[in-house]
Amino acid sequence: QSVLTQPPSVSGAPGQRVTISCTGSSSNIGAGYDVHWYQQLPGTAPKLLIYDNSNRPSGVPDRFSGSKSGTSASLAITGLQAEDEADYYCQSYDSSLSGSWVFGGGTKVTVL
Amino acid sequence: EVQLVQSGAEVKKPGESLKISCKGSGYSFTSYWIGWVRQMPGKGLEWMGIIYPGDSDTRYSPSFQGQVTISADKSISTAYLQWSSLKASDTAMYYCVRLYGDYPDRYFDYWGQGTLVTVSS
Repeated sequence: QSVLTQPPSVSGAPGQRVTISCTGSSSNIGAGYDVHWYQQLPGTAPKLLIYDNSNRPSGVPDRFSGSKSGTSASLAITGLQAEDEADYYCQSYDSSLSGSWVFGGGTKVTVL
Repeated sequence: EVQLVQSGAEVKKPGESLKISCKGSGYSFTSYWIGWVRQMPGKGLEWMGIIYPGDSDTRYSPSFQGQVTISADKSISTAYLQWSSLKASDTAMYYCVRLYGDYPDRYFDYWGQGTLVTVSS
């Protein structure tokens, strides 16, 4: 059971917009800690996709955007492309676990 | 260019010891925390622990405290993850990561390619 909750899967047709939620609690996202997102393409290491809730590292397309509100955060992919098919993970800090960085369980994005 | 290059895949028997490595390059190795992340087969990501190579200050996730040892040799810009007695449940992919940002809002900006550890009798 992950500290941060994500839907196991989402899907969309090419060109559509999909969103992935990441729900936490008052000891992590709700406490004001930042949320970060990672993309893991099949058979590869994860890659930083969004940091500090809504910032994109250099080289990440602007089709990817992040937001945070209350005890939740969201990752949106607009103009979905076949190459976006991957697993996506949110990550934050949790103050209730002796100070631990925690991940969501991951969401598989399928491009129909 | 920042790079984290990990040692190769390992196949071990239960009860054996193991030490895997992660060599950093392209940045000041002693100035950033390095961490380890586990991914069991078909599962998600789990933070294991971190080390600051500058002074070897080490922190562990409660889930991994006492189960593994993290160390670093700053003279060769290399971090390590070791087990004294492997179990079948240690079978997983292990990633080293560089931490960036201000505590506690740190994130993992660079990842190694991963080291697959298989423990089987």
